[in-house]
Amino acid sequence: GAGVSQSPRYKVTKRGQDVALRCDPISGHVSLYWYRQALGQGPEFLTYFNYEAQQDKSGLPNDRFSAERPEGSISTLTIQRTEQRDSAMYRCASGGYGETQYFGPGTRLLVL
Amino acid sequence: QQQVKQSPQSLIVQKGGISIINCAYENTAFDYFPWYQQFPGKGPALLIAIRPDVSEKKEGRFTISFNKSAKQFSLHIMDSQPGDSATYFCAASTDSGAGSYQLTFGKGTKLSVIP
Repeated sequence: GAGVSQSPRYKVTKRGQDVALRCDPISGHVSLYWYRQALGQGPEFLTYFNYEAQQDKSGLPNDRFSAERPEGSISTLTIQRTEQRDSAMYRCASGGYGETQYFGPGTRLLVL
Repeated sequence: QQQVKQSPQSLIVQKGGISIINCAYENTAFDYFPWYQQFPGKGPALLIAIRPDVSEKKEGRFTISFNKSAKQFSLHIMDSQPGDSATYFCAASTDSGAGSYQLTFGKGTKLSVIP
C-alpha cells in the first residue's frame, strides 16, 4: 500500500514568508508525528497528533510554528515569518496504536 | 542535552564483515529502542526494534544487543553487503502520554560497505 507522502518535496522561500508543509499519512493511521532533521543529525520531535487532537506540541521551537490535522488524516505544519535558521528537512511519520512509526520522504525547506 | 548518544559517526566495513553501531541512553523511562535505516533521499525506515525485557533480538542478518544496566544497546549487521550502505539511526521512546511515543534519535552512523 501507499506509504506516507509529503509535499512539497522541496521548498525555497524568502525570509519573512509563511510556508505550509503537508503530510498525507498511511490510511487508517491514528498517530501522526512531525520531526525536523538538520543535516548530519537525527530527526527531532516537533509535535504529535492522536486523530485530530494535537496531544503534544512540546517540541515546537516557538510560536511561529503551528500544526493542524482537522479531520484526523492530512496534517499541515505551518511556519510563519520564516527565518534562515528554519532551514531543515521536515519529516512526518504516522503509526497505528503503539510505538511503530513510518516516515515520509520529507520536505526540504530552504529559507533565503 | 543529548539523551541518546550514537557512535561511531561513520564506519567502513568490508563485504562479508560485521558492522557494529553503539548507542547509549540516559532516560531510564525509555522502554522501546528501534533502529532506523536511511538511504539518501529517503525517509528513515524501521529496521528492527527491542524492548528492555530481552537482551537480544535477531532478524536475519540484523541483531540488537541490549544492556539495561549499562543503558546501552547496539546493532550488529552480520555478513555486511554493499546494499547495507546507508545511514543508521538508533532511537528510544516511551509513552509520553495520550499515546505519544515521540522518538529521541541518535545523530546517526554512515555505514559504507566496500566490495
